[in-house]
Amino acid sequence: SQQGEEDPQALSIQEGENATMNCSYKTSINNLQWYRQNSGRGLVHLILIRSNEREKHSGRLRVTLDTSKKSSSLLITASRAADTASYFCATDAGQAGTALIFGKGTTLSVSS
Amino acid sequence: GAVVSQHPSRVICKSGTSVKIECRSLDFQATTMFWYRQFPKQSLMLMATSNEGSKATYEQGVEKDKFLINHASLTLSTLTVTSAHPEDSSFYICSARAGGAGIQYFGAGTRLSVL
Repeated sequence: SQQGEEDPQALSIQEGENATMNCSYKTSINNLQWYRQNSGRGLVHLILIRSNEREKHSGRLRVTLDTSKKSSSLLITASRAADTASYFCATDAGQAGTALIFGKGTTLSVSS
Repeated sequence: GAVVSQHPSRVICKSGTSVKIECRSLDFQATTMFWYRQFPKQSLMLMATSNEGSKATYEQGVEKDKFLINHASLTLSTLTVTSAHPEDSSFYICSARAGGAGIQYFGAGTRLSVL
């Protein structure tokens, strides 16, 4: 099962520009997480935001969470070619025995 | 931090054979592990929840007789793809929660190619 949609599905930008990706979900959550996946590789955990938080920063990453709208956004500032990857949001109900549920993902291409 | 080891990282097999994938939590006990499947250019889809000492719980549309899951200990879950067919070719990823409702850690994935 999947939680919901991410948009855009694909995003192409130039190095130095900012990239914004959005994620919507359907059920109540304990936290929401963002992951990066390079082509053909495993997942890299980027950031976790709890349901009682509205915004969180980590380096060039900024995540927002609006639980009333059941949506989150990931902003990557001053993008680099190395940021080229697929980005997924995943929701966590925070209960033992429950899995993370992933969104459909955004494929980001950063050209130099 | 907690580590989940998944083996093998890549396997190529002939149609009709069975393939076993192992998922180990290296420094924590996991009563529950999860198995995901990812087709090219798609997201991760939860296949099943593996419960130590009991039967796995499968998501709708996942054949339990084809994807056998065994969680015999608190640190090891295995996924066996039985009688593999080319359409089973995919990226399989396991994960485990640390400490009950704690953070979920992911293995590096197994790329299965069925010829």
